[in-house]
Amino acid sequence: DAKTTQPPSMDCAEGRAANLPCNHSTISGNEYVYWYRQIHSQGPQYIIHGLKNNETNEMASLIITEDRKSSTLILPHATLRDTAVYYCIVRVAGTGGFKTIFGAGTRLFVKA
Amino acid sequence: EAQVTQNPRYLITVTGKKLTVTCSQNMNHEYMSWYRQDPGLGLRQIYYSMNVEVTDKGDVPEGYKVSRKEKRNFPLILESPSPNQTSLYFCASSSGLAGLYEQYFGPGTRLTVT
Repeated sequence: DAKTTQPPSMDCAEGRAANLPCNHSTISGNEYVYWYRQIHSQGPQYIIHGLKNNETNEMASLIITEDRKSSTLILPHATLRDTAVYYCIVRVAGTGGFKTIFGAGTRLFVKA
Repeated sequence: EAQVTQNPRYLITVTGKKLTVTCSQNMNHEYMSWYRQDPGLGLRQIYYSMNVEVTDKGDVPEGYKVSRKEKRNFPLILESPSPNQTSLYFCASSSGLAGLYEQYFGPGTRLTVT
């Protein structure tokens, strides 16, 4: 079963901030939230991850709600090259370690 | 250059003919994993490995085998491929405790089973 839910698609104007939401209402206390993106059929690319605090790197910011049931990925100044499918995922402890469960992702269209 | 490589990149085969897709990483990562991607179903984890000789099932392990005899290699074996295993396959690796850090993905292997 999917552990995360995301809107199937979103639009964003070039140069504006893109805010991509993710719901992970069943997340456990030791599960991290990760964001990846996939351009066409290339291998997914890591963006950012966090546990409970907000995080920022050169690509994006991650805002996690206090109850950790949802998060938002923020691309501060979206460009046409940011058009991709964005995946919010959690890591789930299995018998031998951590499984990775991808949701359906959000297809972000950045328009000129 | 740090990378994950997969071979072959494209493969067309027939039902029942055993095949192996290789995956290798040069980053000394402990964690490695295989995924398949199908239209409408997204990325699904097949198997993962926390370290040499330690493997575990993901969400869709049926019809696949893996082995981790060396840290850098994690081959995916299809003993008797079937058409429903036609898919785009990705290998990934990650460092750190329990593979909690970012995963680096390979370029993908597009497999067609007729």
